[in-house]
Amino acid sequence: DAKTTQPNSMESNEEEPVHLPCNHSTISGTDYIHWYRQLPSQGPEYVIHGLTSNVNNRMASLAIAEDRKSSTLILHRATLRDAAVYYCILRDGGNQGGKLIFGQGTELSVKP
Amino acid sequence: KAGVTQTPRYLIKTRGQQVTLSCSPISGHRSVSWYQQTPGQGLQFLFEYFSETQRNKGNFPGRFSGRQFSNSRSEMNVSTLELGDSALYLCASSLRLAGSSYNEQFFGPGTRLTVL
Repeated sequence: DAKTTQPNSMESNEEEPVHLPCNHSTISGTDYIHWYRQLPSQGPEYVIHGLTSNVNNRMASLAIAEDRKSSTLILHRATLRDAAVYYCILRDGGNQGGKLIFGQGTELSVKP
Repeated sequence: KAGVTQTPRYLIKTRGQQVTLSCSPISGHRSVSWYQQTPGQGLQFLFEYFSETQRNKGNFPGRFSGRQFSNSRSEMNVSTLELGDSALYLCASSLRLAGSSYNEQFFGPGTRLTVL
């Protein structure tokens, strides 16, 4: 399974945008980039995923580099509720299974 | 729609005992995966069950086992408990649709196991 690298922690101010980076230099052509987050005392939850093009949903945006060796999760206006550990995960598009390989993730703290 | 439920939420056992944890997936979901979360190792994949068959397995000793029933509910068993098995055990369910790159995993709240 391809590996991802994320900063251990980041800080943000409430209502400001947050850019969470992820490096995945060994990504293969069939790997999708998924993001999950884990709020305190909860199980992880899905945030967004993409293959090549940038993606937007109600929670966040995902910007994928042209060479796909890195990506950035963008929270447009951070709230206190966005304080969580964010995980960047690669999933083989041909693998429909439930196996997720979590790295250490980025712990995001949001200051009021 | 009810989310993923796990029982019990908290459990205390002693070394050498065995434990069984239960997971009820979201209605209609046929895939259940199990994860172990510890401060030192983070979130680690244990195994996945789909249609009552183990489909994926992580790198854990044979003391960790599981099964899935015809109603998709799953149980995880750990035999001969060790202190290092103290962890939060999470299960996740998904539709596991063929041809989909999505297959969002929905996680339960976890079972906190403490081994004394």
